[in-house]
Amino acid sequence: DAGVTQSPTHLIKTRGQHVTLRCSPISGHKSVSWYQQVLGQGPQFIFQYYEKEERGRGNFPDRFSARQFPNYSSELNVNALLLGDSALYLCASSLERQGGDTQYFGPGTRLTVL
Amino acid sequence: LAKTTQPISMDSYEGQEVNITCSHNNIATNDYITWYQQFPSQGPRFIIQGYKTKVTNEVASLFIPADRKSSTLSLPRVSLSDTAVYYCLLFSGYSTLTFGKGTMLLVSP
Repeated sequence: DAGVTQSPTHLIKTRGQHVTLRCSPISGHKSVSWYQQVLGQGPQFIFQYYEKEERGRGNFPDRFSARQFPNYSSELNVNALLLGDSALYLCASSLERQGGDTQYFGPGTRLTVL
Repeated sequence: LAKTTQPISMDSYEGQEVNITCSHNNIATNDYITWYQQFPSQGPRFIIQGYKTKVTNEVASLFIPADRKSSTLSLPRVSLSDTAVYYCLLFSGYSTLTFGKGTMLLVSP
């Protein structure tokens, strides 16, 4: 089975632009979470979606938004990009939202904002 | 804030067993203890997860005492390719993963 996939792999944008990152979960997984990881830090939680509904939001500005589609894939959108948005964006999927449910991460999208 | 405390870094040599201890004094009843490995510019890779006692899989063992206030990840006979950052997290399924800085393990020849 394929793992979590993310696209694109790398992306370069300029300040003020908008970006859309995509994630396909492991087949059968219904929950998708997004994380931002800046250099030297652990991943920071942005959003969690389960059954197409937002179930959790981290401490990120409203410039960040996401959605989950009927096939459980997900998009993360970031508007009005800032230099500080440069990071590795990670998507993780899990089967459900139950105790002991493991989150599996994708390879990430490296976003560079110039 | 991360709910776990682990050493910032550890050094080892090839072929040795490495034990990384994680403290989680405020672990909740619903929390599972989960460990991830991460290489630079890659997504974290799930290693092992447990609730109590001992869990073993093909790559590691996880030891959890009865009070569950700490846990130890054991990596048998490490190799150079085990050089990575290791994260200890608490996860209840309904919550999100809260990462700290992790433990940077350096394996030398």
